[in-house]
Amino acid sequence: KAGVTQTPRYLIKTRGQQVTLSCSPISGHRSVSWYQQTPGQGLQFLFEYFSETQRNKGNFPGRFSGRQFSNSRSEMNVSTLELGDSALYLCASSLDSFGDTQYFGPGTRLTVL
Amino acid sequence: GESVGLHLPTLSVQEGDNSIINCAYSNSASDYFIWYKQESGKGPQFIIDIRSNMDKRQGQRVTVLLNKTVKHLSLQIAATQPGDSAVYFCAENLNTGNQFYFGTGTSLTVIP
Repeated sequence: KAGVTQTPRYLIKTRGQQVTLSCSPISGHRSVSWYQQTPGQGLQFLFEYFSETQRNKGNFPGRFSGRQFSNSRSEMNVSTLELGDSALYLCASSLDSFGDTQYFGPGTRLTVL
Repeated sequence: GESVGLHLPTLSVQEGDNSIINCAYSNSASDYFIWYKQESGKGPQFIIDIRSNMDKRQGQRVTVLLNKTVKHLSLQIAATQPGDSAVYFCAENLNTGNQFYFGTGTSLTVIP
């Protein structure tokens, strides 16, 4: 079974731009969570989607948003990019919504100049 | 300004020795825990998990111990190999969804 895939793997943007990242979960998995990983803050939860609905949200500004499609694929969007948004953005998928094992994708490395 | 990174605990072990990586979790209501391994340039890889109704779980070469009294998790790796060199994270879940809280990680270096 194919793992979690994320596209693109690397991205360079400038301040003020917006960016969309994509995640395809493991086949049959319905929950997708997004995390931001930085050297300064570690791994921090952004939000979780299950059946096209946001179930949980972390403590990030409204510039960070996401959505999930009927096939469970998910996208996250960051608007008005700031230098501090440079990070590895990780997507994780789970079979169901509550306390299931999460499997991570390789991440998208975003650099904001 | 200068960015300050998280202070990552480090552990160096000789190849073939056993490794023990510790983690203090934050919430006494957490009921599901996962250990992940992250190699440079890759996403976290699932190693082993444990639910709060257990205090020990074993996998292939790995054992996780859970002490709920002191909110402590440990990961034991038997016969550590060079391929085990990575950063190891513990993650806790409150069973309110799939929101996991991650520890700062421990960097394991295996000396051949």
